[in-house]
Amino acid sequence: TQLLEQSPQFLSIQEGENLTVYCNSSSVFSSLQWYRQEPGEGPVLLVTVVTGGEVKKLKRLTFQFGDARKDSSLHITAAQPGDTGLYLCAGLNAGNNRKLIWGLGTSLAVNP
Amino acid sequence: EAGVAQSPRYKIIEKRQSVAFWCNPISGHATLYWYQQILGQGPKLLIQFQNNGVVDDSQLPKDRFSAERLKGVDSTLKIQPAKLEDSAVYLCASSPTFLPLQGEQFFGPGTRLTVL
Repeated sequence: TQLLEQSPQFLSIQEGENLTVYCNSSSVFSSLQWYRQEPGEGPVLLVTVVTGGEVKKLKRLTFQFGDARKDSSLHITAAQPGDTGLYLCAGLNAGNNRKLIWGLGTSLAVNP
Repeated sequence: EAGVAQSPRYKIIEKRQSVAFWCNPISGHATLYWYQQILGQGPKLLIQFQNNGVVDDSQLPKDRFSAERLKGVDSTLKIQPAKLEDSAVYLCASSPTFLPLQGEQFFGPGTRLTVL
C-alpha cells in the first residue's frame, strides 16, 4: 500500500517566522501536488512538481521535489496569518494504475 | 469559469436516516470524484467516475453508500442508513481528462455532514 507521510501534523508559529513541511514516501511518484485547504472550503491546488529535483516558487512559498521523486517539501518564508490552513500533498503514482495518493495533511496556524 | 458546485453545504441528520449530496462539476470535465474527509485529515477517495461509468469504487462502503452520474455530468452521493462515523466533509472534485497527466483535480466547497 502506498503511503504519503506528512510532517509535522500540526504547526503553530508567529507571523514572520519561516517553516518547512515535509511529504515523504517509499514509493516513486510521476508527479506530486500541494494543496491548501481553508476551513469550510475544498482543497485548492498550489503547485504540481513533475521532475526529480525540481524547485518551484510561488511568492513566499518554495516547493521542492526530491531527486528520486519519493518526497517533497514546502518552505514558507515570513509566514503571514493568511497562510493559515491545512496543507496537503498528493502524489500521482507511477505506472499504469494511476491513482492520486493523499497525505494526511499539515495543519498550520500563523498567529499575528 | 464556474467552479465545482455542491449542495447542500451543511446537513445534520440522525443516525439511521438517509441523506443525499449533489455535485455539478466544471463544464466539460469528464472525470468526477467523491471524497470523504474526516476533520483535519486528507481526503479519502470514495468513488471515481469517467463520464457516467465507474472507474474506482474500491473504498466505497457499498452496503450503505451509493453514487450515480447518469448523464455524465452532475452526480449524487447517497448514504442509507447513516452511521455516526459518517460524520465528515464530503468533497466533490473534477478533472478535465481521464487519468489527467499531472493528476490535477478541482474541488468544490464540500458538504459538512453531522450524524447525531
